[in-house]
Amino acid sequence: DAGVIQSPRHEVTEMGQEVTLRCKPISGHDYLFWYRQTMMRGLELLIYFNNNVPIDDSGMPEDRFSAKMPNASFSTLKIQPSEPRDSAVYFCASRPGGGHQPQHFGDGTRLSIL
Amino acid sequence: AQTVTQSQPEMSVQEAETVTLSCTYDTSESDYYLFWYKQPPSRQMILVIRQEAYKQQNATENRFSVNFQKAAKSFSLKISDSQLGDAAMYFCAYRSALDKLVFGAGTILRVKS
Repeated sequence: DAGVIQSPRHEVTEMGQEVTLRCKPISGHDYLFWYRQTMMRGLELLIYFNNNVPIDDSGMPEDRFSAKMPNASFSTLKIQPSEPRDSAVYFCASRPGGGHQPQHFGDGTRLSIL
Repeated sequence: AQTVTQSQPEMSVQEAETVTLSCTYDTSESDYYLFWYKQPPSRQMILVIRQEAYKQQNATENRFSVNFQKAAKSFSLKISDSQLGDAAMYFCAYRSALDKLVFGAGTILRVKS
């Protein structure tokens, strides 16, 4: 059974460029989450979806960040324009419905903005 | 807002011995879930163990067990017979009915051979 799949695994780009991170959740999972991990702030929830609908985007740092989930098997997190302070590891996670179910994480995308 | 505190930035344990990682949380909710995740250098986030707040019995998964003290809002992780592969960053996490996971700052566990 495939886990959560994220791409790319690493991304290095120059500031000002658009960055798109991709996530394929586990099939059948109703919830999808995007997190950012930095040394300074630890793991932060950016946004999450339930049945492809954004439920809470209060963690999205600013308008430069946007996330979409056009269907149950795909989500994107976009940063435009990117800045050096966006450098972090970005995780996608998914879980089935049911309160006791844990989240399953992808391997993360390490993003470096030069 | 819920908060999760891991007061030990770093811990060390000798191989084959037992170590306990501390976690406390603050909430006014009565129904919630608690998790421990492990993040090795490969940076994967791996679920170690979970506990439902309504269950009084402490969760156990092989060498991993928790001491859940609901009144004290404490959720410590005990690793028995520590192995070199247990070396990682360990995160305690709280999930409320609103589905958000709140993570602690993490504890780095080093295992000495």
